[in-house]
Amino acid sequence: SQQGEEDPQALSIQEGENATMNCSYKTSINNLQWYRQNSGRGLVHLILIRSNEREKHSGRLRVTLDTSKKSSSLLITASRAADTASYFCATDRDDKIIFGKGTRLHILP
Amino acid sequence: EAQVTQNPRYLITVTGKKLTVTCSQNMNHEYMSWYRQDPGLGLRQIYYSMNVEVTDKGDVPEGYKVSRKEKRNFPLILESPSPNQTSLYFCASSSFNNQPQHFGDGTRLSIL
Repeated sequence: SQQGEEDPQALSIQEGENATMNCSYKTSINNLQWYRQNSGRGLVHLILIRSNEREKHSGRLRVTLDTSKKSSSLLITASRAADTASYFCATDRDDKIIFGKGTRLHILP
Repeated sequence: EAQVTQNPRYLITVTGKKLTVTCSQNMNHEYMSWYRQDPGLGLRQIYYSMNVEVTDKGDVPEGYKVSRKEKRNFPLILESPSPNQTSLYFCASSSFNNQPQHFGDGTRLSIL
């Protein structure tokens, strides 16, 4: 069963624009994480936000968490070609880790 | 260098022929996990381990076995592989279950 669901499924934007993707989940969580995957490679951890945090920044990344709506958003500012990848949210449920289906982000030159 | 190493990276085999995918981490992590990734379905957790000799089922455990005899190793065993287990598999580790995971480079399995 999917805990996290990202939307949109795919997103194409011009280089330099901001990209926003969203994640919704179903049950209470301890934290929520975002990962990036480049074309079939292993996932790379981007940022972790705890359930008692509302916003977190890391470089060009901004993550928000709204536990009342059970949703999170990932904002990538000033996008670059190298940001082209799939992005996944992951939440914990008991001792399991549940990933969403991901958002495919394509940065156009 | 901190890493998770999976082997083999690619494997084509036939239905019913037992296979093992190895996974090793050098970060002294307690939590290790196996995932499969299929188009349109994202990553789904197969099995996970909280520590040595402690393993538990994820969301899609059918047809798989694991063991955790040492902290660094977490092999995935397919006793009798079937074509529906054709997939891209990832091993990952983290210090604890809800901490950032380090992923291996993946193993692409094709079961004919």
